[in-house]
Amino acid sequence: KQEVTQIPAALSVPEGENLVLNCSFTDSAIYNLQWFRQDPGKGLTSLLLIQSSQREQTSGRLNASLDKSSGRSTLYIAASQPGDSATYLCAVQVGYGQNFVFGPGTRLSVLP
Amino acid sequence: EADIYQTPRYLVIGTGKKITLECSQTMGHDKMYWYQQDPGMELHLIHYSYGVNSTEKGDLSSESTVSRIRTEHFPLTLESARPSHTSQYLCASSDRWNTEAFFGQGTRLTVV
Repeated sequence: KQEVTQIPAALSVPEGENLVLNCSFTDSAIYNLQWFRQDPGKGLTSLLLIQSSQREQTSGRLNASLDKSSGRSTLYIAASQPGDSATYLCAVQVGYGQNFVFGPGTRLSVLP
Repeated sequence: EADIYQTPRYLVIGTGKKITLECSQTMGHDKMYWYQQDPGMELHLIHYSYGVNSTEKGDLSSESTVSRIRTEHFPLTLESARPSHTSQYLCASSDRWNTEAFFGQGTRLTVV
């Protein structure tokens, strides 16, 4: 059974820092991996989708990498801003047509 | 931009009432999902659908029911609400190839 973990559970950094959020999954045979952002009391916003054949995706200050063989993905946030404060979740899709398996999330606080 | 909508956003209702949470998407997605999430806790899949007339139970047992009569619409119903049903309910959709998932803003349900 696929399990997804995220480290750290919570992170507090001063504004302007570059930071890395980690996502690990137990079964390397994934179809794709998606990073989301969730603001308190709101739904999830899709940030980046990495297909299993890709190694990374970039959007603005965000860069996500995928290493299937080691069962890991990282989300890199450059020059963090207070508006980046949210919970970040990763989700893996275990196969074509299969459901997503979510990690517990990393709660990020960026201090002004 | 995601075009998936949930109504109502907030609902406070008395015990024993029947309620229906609405979810609609305009992206033509075949697959739709309902997740339950308590504050600060993980997402739990409670129902999903592969398309019209398809409904499946998720990983977390739920007393709610769903229907999928139209592609764009995936309502969730609680026949008799109880305080234990108090939670946030999130609807999501993805295309038939299960690539990127998109979420609605959620319905925060409080049963008193």
